[in-house]
Amino acid sequence: ELKVEQNPLFLSMQEGKNYTIYCNYSTTSDRLYWYRQDPGKSLESLFVLLSNGAVKQEGRLMASLDTKARLSTLHITAAVHDLSATYFCAVGPDTGTASKLTFGTGTRLQVTL
Amino acid sequence: DAGVTQSPTHLIKTRGQQVTLRCSPKSGHDTVSWYQQALGQGPQFIFQYYEEEERQRGNFPDRFSGHQFPNYSSELNVNALLLGDSALYLCASSHRNLGSYEQYFGPGTRLTVT
Repeated sequence: ELKVEQNPLFLSMQEGKNYTIYCNYSTTSDRLYWYRQDPGKSLESLFVLLSNGAVKQEGRLMASLDTKARLSTLHITAAVHDLSATYFCAVGPDTGTASKLTFGTGTRLQVTL
Repeated sequence: DAGVTQSPTHLIKTRGQQVTLRCSPKSGHDTVSWYQQALGQGPQFIFQYYEEEERQRGNFPDRFSGHQFPNYSSELNVNALLLGDSALYLCASSHRNLGSYEQYFGPGTRLTVT
């Protein structure tokens, strides 16, 4: 059974600081997704990583994928309060098109002034 | 371009009752997946529908069933509700052959079982 683990589960950081969220998964897959969720809201897609070594950046967020290590990272640069949310990584199947996603438990990010 | 829509937004039911949740996929999408998200947890895959048939299923009991209509919209039915069924139910749509692997989530239905 595929397991997806995120750490840390909770992250409190000051504005302007950098930090990384880690996502480890237990089986081979080339598909890694990052989502953001605000309290009481749905999931907003941030990144889809489809190959080993893939790196994507949007604003202050950068995601990377190392399929050999079964590890993805979400790096936050110079955090701002608006980034406060819960971040989920999810792993897709190795074959076929968009299909069942297995989610991690989430990392709740709180950016303080 | 309408995104994924779900109805109702909120729902309160009593133990033992039955509930039906509805989802309309993003325009151009033909595949609908349903997820259950308990408070403080990540979403858990319930099942996926394509061409009006259930194609994949997660570890959920038979009390959870679904349907997909010719216009690609979908329903999730839950029978004999338990307190533990209280959760946010999310619908995600995608296109089976588009190759983008993207799944777009709807706003969700918050189900409370009392």
